[in-house]
Amino acid sequence: DVKVTQSSRYLVKRTGEKVFLECVQDMDHENMFWYRQDPGLGLRLIYFSYDVKMKEKGDIPEGYSVSREKKERFSLILESASTNQTSMYLCASSLLAGASNEQFFGPGTRLTVL
Amino acid sequence: DQQVKQNSPSLSVQEGRISILNCDYTNSMFDYFLWYKKYPAEGPTFLISISSIKDKNEDGRFTVFLNKSAKHLSLHIVPSQPGDSAVYFCAASALYAGGTSYGKLTFGQGTILTVHP
Repeated sequence: DVKVTQSSRYLVKRTGEKVFLECVQDMDHENMFWYRQDPGLGLRLIYFSYDVKMKEKGDIPEGYSVSREKKERFSLILESASTNQTSMYLCASSLLAGASNEQFFGPGTRLTVL
Repeated sequence: DQQVKQNSPSLSVQEGRISILNCDYTNSMFDYFLWYKKYPAEGPTFLISISSIKDKNEDGRFTVFLNKSAKHLSLHIVPSQPGDSAVYFCAASALYAGGTSYGKLTFGQGTILTVHP
């Protein structure tokens, strides 16, 4: 079974803090993704990566950056957290040339910025 | 620009009846569609998918129908069970379009399904 793990289930941070969200997958997937989920807006893609050290902006990259130093690990960084970044953050992975583009998701991190 | 839309934010159904969740898309490059189910405090899990070369795919109680000309797909759950209560997301991808899609999925807003005992 594919397993995607996220470092924290719940996180509370102050405005202006630097926040790191970590994601690890154990199935040797090339693609990794970061989404945020907000009520009424669905899942919106922040950044994705298709290889080590490679990254591409998604639909809402502003205020975020990412790092992929190892194939299994993809980090999302909030350089200076703001209250509008309070959200559920979901990490996912998939095969680069998969038959279906099916993505496997982690359990999510509920981030609250005060 | 919302390329994948689920226009019903919520749906309430009685146990044993049919649940029909709808999804519309605008991008004609989309050729592969997936449904995900999400319980609170958990990540989405894959439910069922359909390729654009088909118009129907069935897996147990779940059937997905695709109408390419209308750019519309629907998920049917028969019979519905209380354990089906969750948020359902429709997602689309350009799997066969080539280029550098890198497995990106575009998700709809989600529909909250509640199945009453």
